[in-house]
Amino acid sequence: RKEVEQDPGPFNVPEGATVAFNCTYSNSASQSFFWYRQDCRKEPKLLMSVYSSGNEDGRFTAQLNRASQYISLLIRDSKLSDSATYLCVAPNYGGSQGNLIFGKGTKLSVKP
Amino acid sequence: DGGITQSPKYLFRKEGQNVTLSCEQNLNHDAMYWYRQDPGQGLRLIYYSQIVNDFQKGDIAEGYSVSREKKESFPLTVTSAQKNPTAFYLCASSLRTGVDEQFFGPGTRLTVL
Repeated sequence: RKEVEQDPGPFNVPEGATVAFNCTYSNSASQSFFWYRQDCRKEPKLLMSVYSSGNEDGRFTAQLNRASQYISLLIRDSKLSDSATYLCVAPNYGGSQGNLIFGKGTKLSVKP
Repeated sequence: DGGITQSPKYLFRKEGQNVTLSCEQNLNHDAMYWYRQDPGQGLRLIYYSQIVNDFQKGDIAEGYSVSREKKESFPLTVTSAQKNPTAFYLCASSLRTGVDEQFFGPGTRLTVL
């Protein structure tokens, strides 16, 4: 089984800080990557897809490093509302189980 | 509104009873999934279905069963054989497995007394 590894945190940062999460994946054939956000006791919600060229959406930037097999999420100018758990997702091409593997998540807490 | 619905939001059952959780989507997605999440833990895949009338076991299928008779519906039955059924159950769907992003329903919290 292919794995996705994340630092569980928690990351405790002040409002306005820049914070970065990394996530490593083991399947070198992976093509599709995503970051999800999960609030406490809620379902995960897609934050952004991760493209080979990297992509940016407002204060959020996602990068893919294929050589080192990791993806990253950068959050600039953190807001209180960014407090959540961030899940890294990569495909699993092991055997017949073509599917997505969700990391266990990195918890972010933004303080006033 | 397009989306995924799960019902009920909270469910209480006595030990030894089977219980069925509902999941419906109107996104016209071929693939559907069931995950289990325990407090402070990640998502674990129970079953998934790539197409109608087909489904595959995930990592923790023991004690669960599913059916996929319609594209829109993928109900999950938690049987009495499941040793620790109390958990948060999440249903998701996507266009294709392994490639496309998954969209989640709001989840069902099952408590077995």
